[in-house]
Amino acid sequence: NAGVMQNPRHLVRRRGQEARLRCSPMKGHSHVYWYRQLPEEGLKFMVYLQKENIIDESGMPKERFSAEFPKEGPSILRIQQVVRGDSAAYFCASSPRQGRIGSTDTQYFGPGTRLTVL
Amino acid sequence: AQRVTQPEKLLSVFKGAPVELKCNYSYSGSPELFWYVQYSRQRLQLLLRHISRESIKGFTADLNKGETSFHLKKPFAQEEDSAMYYCALSSTSGTYKYIFGTGTRLKVLA
Repeated sequence: NAGVMQNPRHLVRRRGQEARLRCSPMKGHSHVYWYRQLPEEGLKFMVYLQKENIIDESGMPKERFSAEFPKEGPSILRIQQVVRGDSAAYFCASSPRQGRIGSTDTQYFGPGTRLTVL
Repeated sequence: AQRVTQPEKLLSVFKGAPVELKCNYSYSGSPELFWYVQYSRQRLQLLLRHISRESIKGFTADLNKGETSFHLKKPFAQEEDSAMYYCALSSTSGTYKYIFGTGTRLKVLA
């Protein structure tokens, strides 16, 4: 099992361009989480998706950010019209299921995509 | 408010010395607590979670609900323990998203 894959590992965009970040969960995992890590901060939850469904997007900025997890293919985090403040490391994590009553499943993390906005 | 606090950004200890990485949390309900470690140039990986009560690589952590703490401890630090350590909590209902602390960089000196 190759683990959670993210690409690209590094992405450079100019202000106003679009950024697309991809995440392939571990085999057999149908739950995907995206987190953002700004410099000198911890990881902050952005969005939680299952196949074809957004379950919780309470951490997503209201504008310019969107996420999807189609039936086939990787999960995509899309940032439109990027600004310098979007520069950060974006991590994806996957888990096999949502958890059982009174417990939660471990999340397995990808290596992250480091986005730099010039 | 739901929050995880790791008060130390950097902790330096000598090889063979005991180490304790502090983690305090604020959460209304019954969370699960985790420690993740990130070695240089590697991805975050689970070190341990409180419900398993395991000792991994000599590390242990006990959930203290009274003090709302989940400190990570190791009696004798080794150079290969140098890494970034993140404490995280997850609810046991809802969407199970993680709330992370800001991390503590542990440096074990020879």
